[in-house]
Amino acid sequence: RKEVEQDPGPFNVPEGATVAFNCTYSNSASQSFFWYRQDCRKEPKLLMSVYSSGNEDGRFTAQLNRASQYISLLIRDSKLSDSATYLCVVSFMDSNYQLIWGAGTKLIIKP
Amino acid sequence: DVKVTQSSRYLVKRTGEKVFLECVQDMDHENMFWYRQDPGLGLRLIYFSYDVKMKEKGDIPEGYSVSREKKERFSLILESASTNQTSMYLCASSTPTDTQYFGPGTRLTVL
Repeated sequence: RKEVEQDPGPFNVPEGATVAFNCTYSNSASQSFFWYRQDCRKEPKLLMSVYSSGNEDGRFTAQLNRASQYISLLIRDSKLSDSATYLCVVSFMDSNYQLIWGAGTKLIIKP
Repeated sequence: DVKVTQSSRYLVKRTGEKVFLECVQDMDHENMFWYRQDPGLGLRLIYFSYDVKMKEKGDIPEGYSVSREKKERFSLILESASTNQTSMYLCASSTPTDTQYFGPGTRLTVL
């Protein structure tokens, strides 16, 4: 079983719609959670950290459910520029801050 | 602004060649990482370093070595390139308690 699992998609969504996807993790000792965004042929870039209480950044909302071991990302009023692959990342807090990466969910926003 | 640079964006090598991939960061980060990314798989950690001259194996170190002689520079070495090492190679850096920042990646093709 993979440590971090994501639906690979692609999710094809019309512009302006709301889209949400989840990521499950297997290790209950996981302590930090992130969503990264990766554009085609580019490097991953941090989109947002995911806090226990949930957090929002503009049109983006991230939630953590420790009991069920998943994190979610919600995008409201989707834009064409939101088309990308979204990577779920989990870490165990140690001095070296290693990250465990999901394979990503591909999102395509259609006009 | 955070800056991680990699020596080449695209590289084509022949089987058996020795390959050097260079990564430089200008943020005075202690930690540096080398990943490879292949379609359908998450980022897989090859090696990381948490200090000058220190290195630790990641999940897939076989066929690779690394060098960190200076804090800002982390090199990945393929001693004898093979076709199964054709991949996207991503370098990242971080502080011990922060998330990771990536370079633009090197797309390596081994013929």
